[in-house]
Amino acid sequence: KAGVTQTPRYLIKTRGQQVTLSCSPISGHRSVSWYQQTPGQGLQFLFEYFSETQRNKGNFPGRFSGRQFSNSRSEMNVSTLELGDSALYLCASSLVLGGQETQYFGPGTRLLVL
Amino acid sequence: AQKITQTQPGMFVQEKEAVTLDCTYDTSDPSYGLFWYKQPSSGEMIFLIYQGSYDQQNATEGRYSLNFQKARKSANLVISASQLGDSAMYFCAMREEGNTGGFKTIFGAGTRLFVKA
Repeated sequence: KAGVTQTPRYLIKTRGQQVTLSCSPISGHRSVSWYQQTPGQGLQFLFEYFSETQRNKGNFPGRFSGRQFSNSRSEMNVSTLELGDSALYLCASSLVLGGQETQYFGPGTRLLVL
Repeated sequence: AQKITQTQPGMFVQEKEAVTLDCTYDTSDPSYGLFWYKQPSSGEMIFLIYQGSYDQQNATEGRYSLNFQKARKSANLVISASQLGDSAMYFCAMREEGNTGGFKTIFGAGTRLFVKA
């Protein structure tokens, strides 16, 4: 079974631009979560999608948005990029089966904003 | 308020010995899940082990076991027979229900483990 995939793996943008990151969950996983990881703030929850609906959102400005498609693939968009948006963006898909939850992460997208 | 606390920024362990990585959490939700992840220098997050708040027994996965003490709100990771490849950053995380019914996962600051030959 294929793991969580994220594209692109690396990205360089300039301030003011916008970016779209993509995440394909493990087959059968309907929940997709996004996280931002920076050296200063650590791992922070961005949002979670389930069946095309955003179920929860972290404390990030409205420049950060996302969506989920009917095949559970998810995209995350950041508009008007700032230098502080440089980070590793991780996507995770999860499944609850028999009371046991598993959450698997993709390799991440490293975004550098210049 | 800090919800996941990992008090050990760095830890050293001799190869083949056991090591315990500490994690305490804070929640008022009776239903939650606790995870441990390993992050090597490559950046990928590797799922290690999961413990549900209602699980009576401590979770185990191979060399990994989770010492779950619910009353103390602690979920320490025990790695037995450490290997050089265990050198990495380890994150404790808690998944709880969010304000709008979904779930969110909160991570600790991490513990960097160094395994010495």
